[in-house]
Parts: sequence; C-alpha cells; structure tokens
Amino acid sequence: AQSVTQPDIHITVSEGASLELRCNYSYGATPYLFWYVQSPGQGLQLLLKYFSGDTLVQGIKGFEAEFKRSQSSFNLRKPSVHWSDAAEYFCAVGPGNNNDMRFGAGTRLTVKP
Amino acid sequence: DTAVSQTPKYLVTQMGNDKSIKCEQNLGHDTMYWYKQDSKKFLKIMFSYNNKELIINETVPNRFSPKSPDKAHLNLHINSLELGDSAVYFCASSQVYNLQETQYFGPGTRLLVL
Repeated sequence: AQSVTQPDIHITVSEGASLELRCNYSYGATPYLFWYVQSPGQGLQLLLKYFSGDTLVQGIKGFEAEFKRSQSSFNLRKPSVHWSDAAEYFCAVGPGNNNDMRFGAGTRLTVKP
Repeated sequence: DTAVSQTPKYLVTQMGNDKSIKCEQNLGHDTMYWYKQDSKKFLKIMFSYNNKELIINETVPNRFSPKSPDKAHLNLHINSLELGDSAVYFCASSQVYNLQETQYFGPGTRLLVL
C-alpha cells in the first residue's frame, strides 16, 4: 500500500529565505505525487502535481518540486519565501486501489519577518 | 463565485445526535468527495461519488452516509454522533473520476461533538 512521510512537523524560515519541504513516499510503481497547501481555516489548494515526464515540476505561487525515484522523494522548494506562504503543506501519493490519494501528516510553515 | 461550498462552517452538537453537512460545487464536475481531517491534521478520504454512484467507501462506520440529490451536491449525513467524530470535514470535486484531474476543496466544516 502507498504511504507518504513528511519528516518535518514544523519549519520556520525567515522571509526572503529559501525553502525546502521534504516528502518521502512508498509506492510499488511510478507514483502520482501532489503537493497541497492549506491556509489557516481554509480548504486545500493544489500547488503542483507529477504524473510522468520531466522530474522537475513547476507549480503555482513560485513553488517547484523534484521527483527523485532513487530517493523515493518529492521535495517542495521555493527560492524566496513570502509571509503569505505561512500555511500547512501536504504531500500526497496515488493512485491507490480505489484511484484515491494518500496524504502525509503535513508540515507547518512559519515565516519570520 | 465560490467553486466548492460547504454548510455549515461550524457545527457543535451533542453526542448521539444526527446531523448533516451540505456540499455544493458549481464547477460542473462529475465527481465529488468527502475527506476527514483529524486533530493531528491527518487527512483521509471517506467517500467519492461519480455521477451519483458511490465509488469509494473506506473503513468508515455505517453511521456516515453520503447522499447526492444531483451531480452538484454531495451531502454527508451522520447518525448517532460520537466524540471521535469531532474533526474537520472537507468536500472536494474533480472533473472526472481520475486522479490526474485536480481536486478542488471546499473550506471545511468544523464539527465538534460534546
């Protein structure tokens, strides 16, 4: 069965600094991989997704992620963080048996002024 | 203009009660979903409906029943509420039943069972 691990529960970065959020997955074949963002009190919004092809994926809001099969990772990056990026970030993998996706536990990002 | 909307936003109720949460999408999507997010922020799929047909039913107690009066609506009815049902429930929709299609989430309904 597929699973996702987000090793960092909470990360704090300074505004303007670079960001990398880690995501490791377990999946028997080539996975579908996703990053979602959840702002306080809001639903989830898709940042980017990977199905096949180029392993470096560009998303919205200046985010990118790189699929590394050898490391079973799909880390999310942003070169310069803005205060509005403070949120909870979820990595997800699929498809599962029911064509669903399995979410990680999330990483909470705090941005210092 | 809200794409996926849920009502109510907050719901506080007593153990043993029956309650419903409503979800509507105006995107013309064929598939709708219900997710549960627990107190540790862990998000798990509960149900999926595609053209009014139930697709996914994870290990969810039968006290939970999704009802879809039409393609644009997927309501969640919960019988005999328990303390452990306290969570945030998210509705989502996608164009078709395919994980390559983006899922659009509602703002969530925060349920507290006392």
